[in-house]
Amino acid sequence: DTAVSQTPKYLVTQMGNDKSIKCEQNLGHDTMYWYKQDSKKFLKIMFSYNNKELIINETVPNRFSPKSPDKAHLNLHINSLELGDSAVYFCASSPVPGAGNIQYFGAGTRLSVL
Amino acid sequence: GENVEQHPSTLSVQEGDSAVIKCTYSDSASNYFPWYKQELGKGPQLIIDIRSNVGEKKDQRIAVTLNKTAKHFSLHITETQPEDSAVYFCAANGAGNQFYFGTGTSLTVIP
Repeated sequence: DTAVSQTPKYLVTQMGNDKSIKCEQNLGHDTMYWYKQDSKKFLKIMFSYNNKELIINETVPNRFSPKSPDKAHLNLHINSLELGDSAVYFCASSPVPGAGNIQYFGAGTRLSVL
Repeated sequence: GENVEQHPSTLSVQEGDSAVIKCTYSDSASNYFPWYKQELGKGPQLIIDIRSNVGEKKDQRIAVTLNKTAKHFSLHITETQPEDSAVYFCAANGAGNQFYFGTGTSLTVIP
């Protein structure tokens, strides 16, 4: 069983389109995250949700909107895609948002904007 | 906020040799330092972590050391094997209970 699963694994789309990436965790964790990894492998947090509530919102364009229908799911919707959005997006989860909690990552979604 | 620097960015070692990756952090309030291994096409996976009340931790061929005064911590891999080849990330926790990751080290173990 996959602990943190993301779909799709690959996403190729045109500039200006709207797309969504889905994430689900079956670990019973309360907290979920979205990270962006650029071409230089730099990992940067975008959002964090604890039990469906937003707790971290880094400086991310408004075109990115996370949605958490329940604590096992955190989806990422991106409007008006731009070339610079091309990256690998990782979902992660941890038991609680406190410091020192291990984060478990999904396999990533490679987004290519043409 | 927290700033984590990681060196080197690339590292090649012969199989059986040791590999050392170093990180520094800026926020003295950080108290948890995980290390993640990312294999090609996969997400990062935790390999070892250390908390600020401990100076060293070992798990078989992997060890991490922490110097709180100097604000640096290091990953040591002994008797390296080809399957150790991957990108390694250090991280430190910061304000808002989030992780700040280093820029990654691409380790290649040459058979």
